[in-house]
Amino acid sequence: NAGVTQTPKFQVLKTGQSMTLQCAQDMNHEYMSWYRQDPGMGLRLIHYSVGAGITDQGEVPNGYNVSRSTTEDFPLRLLSAAPSQTSVYFCASSYGLTYTFGSGTRLTVV
Amino acid sequence: GDSVTQMEGPVTLSEEAFLTINCTYTATGYPSLFWYVQYPGEGLQLLLKATKADDKGSNKGFEATYRKETTSFHLEKGSVQVSDSAVYFCALSEKAGNTGKLIFGQGTTLQVKP
Repeated sequence: NAGVTQTPKFQVLKTGQSMTLQCAQDMNHEYMSWYRQDPGMGLRLIHYSVGAGITDQGEVPNGYNVSRSTTEDFPLRLLSAAPSQTSVYFCASSYGLTYTFGSGTRLTVV
Repeated sequence: GDSVTQMEGPVTLSEEAFLTINCTYTATGYPSLFWYVQYPGEGLQLLLKATKADDKGSNKGFEATYRKETTSFHLEKGSVQVSDSAVYFCALSEKAGNTGKLIFGQGTTLQVKP
């Protein structure tokens, strides 16, 4: 099915470990973005991209890196995981006012 | 900066009751407004949207009207069902067109009891 694919669905990390959350879309959308969802805080924008090779920071970028080498992929990197990064992460792609969200990655940092 | 504020939950209703979830926004310019729904264990799905003042978005019995004078986009449904139990998010896109990013409210949990 066409859409946004996120992997993995679940992950447990130890403090200080690094990892990459993968996000891929097959709709040829120019815009992609990463959000984190925390209880009582809704979704907050981490980083976004308006096209291959172009990224920018959102509301809560600290501790996360992104790159956009292709239109299809937009990975999110945690360089040194911290317990404060325990959250559910959503990737989205968009065209016009149509946003498509992935099913999320639930990350726990212990 | 732009922001969205939703009424706090959880909201608990009996089946067939009337639903209102309040949403107000602060924005410079002319944002587009959205309601998304998240069912347990799933991602976000668009419920409805409106792109200009006085527009009414509607879907699956839910409605919301873009009120520029009160900077509001309240979600309503005349008769809720158990299957409507979910988390509802109000969101805005900062400009009328695509910016690639949304600003969300904190979410309102709705529980509908039979």
